[in-house]
Amino acid sequence: KQEVTQIPAALSVPEGENLVLNCSFTDSAIYNLQWFRQDPGKGLTSLLLIQSSQREQTSGRLNASLDKSSGRSTLYIAASQPGDSATYLCAASNQAGTALIFGKGTTLSVSS
Amino acid sequence: EAGVAQSPRYKIIEKRQSVAFWCNPISGHATLYWYQQILGQGPKLLIQFQNNGVVDDSQLPKDRFSAERLKGVDSTLKIQPAKLEDSAVYLCASSNLPGPSYNEQFFGPGTRLTVL
Repeated sequence: KQEVTQIPAALSVPEGENLVLNCSFTDSAIYNLQWFRQDPGKGLTSLLLIQSSQREQTSGRLNASLDKSSGRSTLYIAASQPGDSATYLCAASNQAGTALIFGKGTTLSVSS
Repeated sequence: EAGVAQSPRYKIIEKRQSVAFWCNPISGHATLYWYQQILGQGPKLLIQFQNNGVVDDSQLPKDRFSAERLKGVDSTLKIQPAKLEDSAVYLCASSNLPGPSYNEQFFGPGTRLTVL
């Protein structure tokens, strides 16, 4: 049974700092891994999707990597801004078309 | 392209009452998911539809929860009767079949349910 863990649960950084959010999963036979952002009281916004055959994906200041052998994914945020403050969730799917299994998220606070 | 639509956005009911949530997925998306997100937790799947058929409802509390997806488009999730522990955000998501979009899931804004 797939389990997804995110550490740390909360993170506070000053504006401009580069940071890494961690996600680990127990079953390396994943189909894809998706990173989301959730603002308070809002739904989930998809940030990056990494297929099992890929090692990383980039979008603007965000870079997500995937290492299936170690069961880990990281989300790198460059030059953090106060607007990046939100909860970041990672989720894995084990087969095409199946539901996502989520971690509990990392709540990020970027101070100006 | 319009996103996933959900209504209502907020609902407050008393325990033992019934409630229904509505979801309209992205046009053309064959797969629809309902997730429950309890405060401080990640979303958890309740039910998954492929077109108008149920793919996975193993985690749906069938004694009180029901869902349908008529004509393979809109979907309704119902709770009857509600319990205090049903207080959560109910998220609807949709995705296309594996293909160029790589089965990426897109989420609606959610419905926040409070059971008193």
